[in-house]
Amino acid sequence: NAGVMQNPRHLVRRRGQEARLRCSPVKGHSHVYWYRQLPEEGLKFMVYLQKENIIDESGMPKERFSAEFPKEGPSILRIQQVVRGDSAAYFCATNQGGDTEAFFGQGTRLTVV
Amino acid sequence: GESVGLHLPTLSVQEGDNSIINCAYSNSASDYFIWYKQESGKGPQFIIDIRSNMDKRQGQRVTVLLNKTVKHLSLQIAATQPGDSAVYFCAEPNAGGTSYGKLTFGQGTILTVHP
Repeated sequence: NAGVMQNPRHLVRRRGQEARLRCSPVKGHSHVYWYRQLPEEGLKFMVYLQKENIIDESGMPKERFSAEFPKEGPSILRIQQVVRGDSAAYFCATNQGGDTEAFFGQGTRLTVV
Repeated sequence: GESVGLHLPTLSVQEGDNSIINCAYSNSASDYFIWYKQESGKGPQFIIDIRSNMDKRQGQRVTVLLNKTVKHLSLQIAATQPGDSAVYFCAEPNAGGTSYGKLTFGQGTILTVHP
């Protein structure tokens, strides 16, 4: 859905650097979900946030990964000290919570060199 | 392991043919399923959904069939067009979850439509 904006679309980082991925929800959506997609695979849930709160981070690695969704501004997925295995497409989806349809952004393709 | 999965990873069809993409699930308590289309370089796009109290649901050129007995669902695309070429995923909201944004995706089927 064109309403979910992710940036950057492509990000190249050297091993050991930090990657910051941004997701701006559809206007009116206060729930954000981050997913990771490895080549030739389906999307894997990472973390679910609602304004200023992490609701479910069961799919996010315990080390090096963090996410936030501040009161103002986009949601940020942060990967510290990136490694080659972090290379993937990262998607966010947003909705109004509950059983409302979630819309996906176009993704950020992270390449670690 | 994953609660949803696909039988066939690739499907090639001629333009105008009908396409059938399959998906199996393991949780008999699953009550809601969604099909997504993902074009190259883009995010997943909602196609159609179905609840477990239904066996069939039709959209524009697409039909989803649900067989709860064998825990199988399929997506049928009528008169397939080159623009239908994409990866198709079945997905379900996390079992026991309260939000339809937390989804478990199947592996995906690559559909290629030849003109």
